[in-house]
Amino acid sequence: DAGVIQSPRHEVTEMGQEVTLRCKPISGHNSLFWYRQTMMRGLELLIYFNNNVPIDDSGMPEDRFSAKMPNASFSTLKIQPSEPRDSAVYFCASVSSGNTIYFGEGSWLTVV
Amino acid sequence: DQQVKQNSPSLSVQEGRISILNCDYTNSMFDYFLWYKKYPAEGPTFLISISSIKDKNEDGRFTVFLNKSAKHLSLHIVPSQPGDSAVYFCAASGSGGYQKVTFGTGTKLQVIP
Repeated sequence: DAGVIQSPRHEVTEMGQEVTLRCKPISGHNSLFWYRQTMMRGLELLIYFNNNVPIDDSGMPEDRFSAKMPNASFSTLKIQPSEPRDSAVYFCASVSSGNTIYFGEGSWLTVV
Repeated sequence: DQQVKQNSPSLSVQEGRISILNCDYTNSMFDYFLWYKKYPAEGPTFLISISSIKDKNEDGRFTVFLNKSAKHLSLHIVPSQPGDSAVYFCAASGSGGYQKVTFGTGTKLQVIP
């Protein structure tokens, strides 16, 4: 079975540019999460979708960040405009039931 | 405010010995706890979990202990192997319906051959 698939794996962009990260959750999983990993804060939840509907976006840092889930098999996290402090690893994860979250391999973002 | 705390950013252990990774939490509503393991350039993978109705859960070389009164849990790895070298994240959530899973900052374990 394919796991959670994220793209791109690595992204280097200039400050001010738009960044779009993509995620395909595990088929049949009805919940999707976007996390950000930094050294200082560990894994932070940015946003949670259930059945394609955003349920909890309290972790989205500011208006520059937006996320969508147009259907059950695809989600995007967009940063516009990007800033150097957005540099981090962004993980997408999905879960079918319970609390066991399955993570993708992450998108490594560097904003210069 | 860090509700799940892993105060040791790193730990080195000799192969064959016991590794003990610690985690503290502050939210008394947490009643389900998980440990995730992360290798470089990979996403975290689920390792073991424990519900608050238990104080111990064992899976092979991995055992998680929960002390609810102290709001403390620990992961024991016995015996430690070089392949266990990774970052270990502690996580906690409530139960019932949607419950946000809160992660700690991670502990980097190095098992020395």
